[in-house]
Amino acid sequence: GAVVSQHPSRVICKSGTSVKIECRSLDFQATTMFWYRQFPKQSLMLMATSNEGSKATYEQGVEKDKFLINHASLTLSTLTVTSAHPEDSSFYICSGAQGSNQPQHFGDGTRLSIL
Amino acid sequence: GQNIDQPTEMTATEGAIVQINCTYQTSGFNGLFWYQQHAGEAPTFLSYNVLDGLEEKGRFSSFLSRSKGYSYLLLKELQMKDSASYLCAVQDSGYSTLTFGKGTMLLVSP
Repeated sequence: GAVVSQHPSRVICKSGTSVKIECRSLDFQATTMFWYRQFPKQSLMLMATSNEGSKATYEQGVEKDKFLINHASLTLSTLTVTSAHPEDSSFYICSGAQGSNQPQHFGDGTRLSIL
Repeated sequence: GQNIDQPTEMTATEGAIVQINCTYQTSGFNGLFWYQQHAGEAPTFLSYNVLDGLEEKGRFSSFLSRSKGYSYLLLKELQMKDSASYLCAVQDSGYSTLTFGKGTMLLVSP
């Protein structure tokens, strides 16, 4: 149980393109979903926390106008990287939790490469 | 601020036992998680400790001492597939938000 599906797994696109990443909880309702970014050989860095039906909470230094998060239902959250540039190239991972004190379950990640 | 420390790298031999330590200093504490992450993949949940003591799950065990701000992950009967990064993460509030350590890269050799 507790499966999180993330799509797409890999994106390669030109600078200036906007990229949308989907995160779905398949067999549970995720009241909270999290978006992380991970650069090579570094740890997971939390970008934002989203709760269904409300605005996302962004971590310090993360541009909310660049990284648009929508959590429209208890099973779907999306991250849109707007006007992506090469420095946005990274491994983006989402996770969902059923509630507080519950482990986060991660999607398979999206490797974003901006040329 | 939040501070989570774990060794950067460890090596061990197939069939052996290895202990990965994690110390933390956080503004609050509501549980500690261990995750396994293979290269290029997302983390996989291994264990959760909220009370002091040892939690055992098959070949993996995790220990917590809240007064010392200390945890360890114990891996027994190591297998080659256990070569991965092991992430210690602390939940510092009643919400699900986690702060991750930088991870310990474990290399298991034959």
